[in-house]
Amino acid sequence: QSALTQPASVSGSPGQSITISCTGTSSDIADYDYVSWYQQHPGKAPRLMIYEVTNRPSGVSTRFSGSKSGNTASLTISGLQAEDEADYYCSSFTSSSTLAFGGGTKVTVL
Amino acid sequence: QVQLEQSGAEVKKPGASVKVSCKTSGYRFTDYYIQWVRQAPGQGPEWMGWINPHSGGTNSAQRFQGRITMTRDTSISSVYMELSRLRSDDTAVYYCARGTIINDYWGQGTMVTVSS
Repeated sequence: QSALTQPASVSGSPGQSITISCTGTSSDIADYDYVSWYQQHPGKAPRLMIYEVTNRPSGVSTRFSGSKSGNTASLTISGLQAEDEADYYCSSFTSSSTLAFGGGTKVTVL
Repeated sequence: QVQLEQSGAEVKKPGASVKVSCKTSGYRFTDYYIQWVRQAPGQGPEWMGWINPHSGGTNSAQRFQGRITMTRDTSISSVYMELSRLRSDDTAVYYCARGTIINDYWGQGTMVTVSS
């Protein structure tokens, strides 16, 4: 059982926006602005998409954005494209100086 | 460019140990922690621990303490993760990644299969 809770799947049509949630506790997401989001295609390593809740690394499309409210972080993908179909994972620093991951959300582009 | 190159796939018997290497290049080795994450088939990532390449200090997840050893060789910009007393549920892809809270570069992964 993963430390952070994500929906198993989210789907949307091309051009639509979708939001993936990541729920933690007062010992992780609520207490630290160290939430990251990763995209993973089958057989590939994870790719960093968002760090420190809202920041995008160089090279990541502006269609990806992050936010946080209380103990829940969210990743929004705007203008959904076929290439966005992948698994997405959240992670958060914890009060135990460890890293917690979510169980992952499979994004399907209809 | 930054690269993390991991060692090849391993097949081990229950009770054995495995040592996975991660050779880095393209940046100053001692400037960034390296963390180890594993991913069982069909599952989300699981944090295992991290090593400070400058000091050699480590921190690992409680569930692996006593079984995991992380080391580094600064002369060749490489880190190593050894997991002992392997069980079938240790079957997973093991990744090294640069950084602790923010993992901007990842190795390609090493498949470790534990089977009798």
